[in-house]
Amino acid sequence: QKEVEQDPGPLSVPEGAIVSLNCTYSNSAFQYFMWYRQYSRKGPELLMYTYSSGNKEDGRFTAQVDKSSKYISLFIRDSQPSDSATYLCATNAGKSTFGDGTTLTVKP
Amino acid sequence: NAGVTQTPKFRILKIGQSMTLQCAQDMNHNYMYWYRQDPGMGLKLIYYSVGAGITDKGEVPNGYNVSRSTTEDFPLRLELAAPSQTSVYFCASRNRGDEQFFGPGTRLTVL
Repeated sequence: QKEVEQDPGPLSVPEGAIVSLNCTYSNSAFQYFMWYRQYSRKGPELLMYTYSSGNKEDGRFTAQVDKSSKYISLFIRDSQPSDSATYLCATNAGKSTFGDGTTLTVKP
Repeated sequence: NAGVTQTPKFRILKIGQSMTLQCAQDMNHNYMYWYRQDPGMGLKLIYYSVGAGITDKGEVPNGYNVSRSTTEDFPLRLELAAPSQTSVYFCASRNRGDEQFFGPGTRLTVL
């Protein structure tokens, strides 16, 4: 079993939609959770970071962690075409473990 | 700061050739990583380093070697290239925090 499993996608939504991206993880020792955004032909960049259960909000983005069910989510409100990218969830217990990514396309 | 830089951007190798992918960072980060990303897939860790002179294997180290003689540089060596090594290679670094900073990647094709 992979340590981090990510809903594979791809996802295609109209502009303005609410997007939900999801991951599960297997190791209860993981304490830090991150979402990276990767535009086509670019390296990943950190989007959100959290180390506790609950919600963390940054503008249109909300990261949610449920440690009891080992579930990580990223919500995007009022999605924009510029949000079109691959989103990677990651945990860090010394060295990061990444999900396989979900490719999102937001259509104008 | 230039951040994390990688050279070359693109490379085509013939089967059996060797090459070194260069990675450098100017942020004085202790931790450095090499990943490969196959089409439609996530990042697989090849090797990582926690400081100059210290390296360790990741998930997919076979066919690769690394060295870390300085804090700034972390080259990845491919010996006897095989078609299975066709991929995009990303180098990353981090300091004590958990955010990794990635380079722009090297696209390698082995024919």
